[in-house]
Amino acid sequence: QVYLVESGGGVVQPGRSLRLSCAASGFTLSEHGVKWVRQAPGKGLEWVAAISYDGRNKYYADSVKGRFTISRDNSRNTVDLQMNSLRGDDTAVYYCAKGSMGGLDVWGQGTTVIVSS
Amino acid sequence: DIQMTQSPSSVSASVGDRVTITCRASQGIRSWLAWYQQKPGRAPELLIYGASTLQNGVPSRFSGSGSGTDFTLTISSLQPEDFATYYCQQANSFPLTFGGGTKVE
Repeated sequence: QVYLVESGGGVVQPGRSLRLSCAASGFTLSEHGVKWVRQAPGKGLEWVAAISYDGRNKYYADSVKGRFTISRDNSRNTVDLQMNSLRGDDTAVYYCAKGSMGGLDVWGQGTTVIVSS
Repeated sequence: DIQMTQSPSSVSASVGDRVTITCRASQGIRSWLAWYQQKPGRAPELLIYGASTLQNGVPSRFSGSGSGTDFTLTISSLQPEDFATYYCQQANSFPLTFGGGTKVE
């Protein structure tokens, strides 16, 4: 069975950091680009960051540029999202997803990040 | 950035109805368009990619069409399990962008 599992979410104070991790099972994540997508409570989907299969190319939404860093460890079959200087509007469910032919065909169950004092 | 505008934002429909959702891109994206279904408390699921290619396992009552700036998702005969929110997403260029969603209720 093919799936992704996110971890690392939690409650954090504004200005602090959190690191999310995305692990793959049932397939080799290193062969695919990976995206992080978030969804604030009651809102729509927002793309956050992307990394190419080999880690050479990284892209960020303007809302997180300079604060978030995406990385991957292909030896561990994982992709991480380092989130610094967190703000209240970063509160959301964060999903990682595998890219394929322009669509995101495998998604994790999501991990919740709450930024609050 | 490419803006994706979905309409309607919500639609009231009954089982057996034909439902059509449209998505308009602020600039041409060729066929780099995907559609997702999301149910409450669940991750989105890919329905269609490349504007019209059905993802494996997705029922054939779902179909997609369009290219350039105007796209359509059609559910030919709405089933009880299809009540959900649907999103379009352009994959032509970064930043990737999603439509605002259409709730089918």
